[in-house]
Amino acid sequence: AQSVTQPDIHITVSEGASLELRCNYSYGATPYLFWYVQSPGQGLQLLLKYFSGDTLVQGIKGFEAEFKRSQSSFNLRKPSVHWSDAAEYFCAVVPSGGYNKLIFGAGTRLAVHP
Amino acid sequence: NAGVTQTPKFRILKIGQSMTLQCAQDMNHNYMYWYRQDPGMGLKLIYYSVGAGITDKGEVPNGYNVSRSTTEDFPLRLELAAPSQTSVYFCASTKTRDSHEQYFGPGTRLTVT
Repeated sequence: AQSVTQPDIHITVSEGASLELRCNYSYGATPYLFWYVQSPGQGLQLLLKYFSGDTLVQGIKGFEAEFKRSQSSFNLRKPSVHWSDAAEYFCAVVPSGGYNKLIFGAGTRLAVHP
Repeated sequence: NAGVTQTPKFRILKIGQSMTLQCAQDMNHNYMYWYRQDPGMGLKLIYYSVGAGITDKGEVPNGYNVSRSTTEDFPLRLELAAPSQTSVYFCASTKTRDSHEQYFGPGTRLTVT
């Protein structure tokens, strides 16, 4: 079945530590890939997206993500986490020909310890 | 530009009541979407519209109705509220089919008791 999987429900890191949030998708063709962030009580903000080309994409707030076709993955990374990065992070895909209908993963809640 | 706006921000309904969640965008976007977000879950698509007068069902449309009489507005109607509709509702929009990046409103938190 087509799906987006974020294996980690909660992650806690110390401020200044590196971060990697995992995302795997299950679709026949490579979909368009997105990472969104949701701060408490807020709407969703786009961090970055991948459509084609260079498999390492840069986003806002110092985030980057790497698309690996062989692993059907699109993991989000940040070299040094700030306390303000505490939020919920969603991986999402738009299947090919999907009228921009986003399919979301369940999300990963990030906590940052001082 | 205000972007995507949603009203109300919060609402409590009794079982069986009806209400309309309002969504408007001022970016001249053709595509608009309604999602719901349940605790611990990602967002799920309820309905979407590709232009004025054109709507279609998403993944979880039961219990909801939509209309799109103008490009700017995309209201979501709950006719007979049920506790299962307690959720946070997000509206989003994008310019064209090839735009892909969706802009989200701040959400409406709905409780049905």
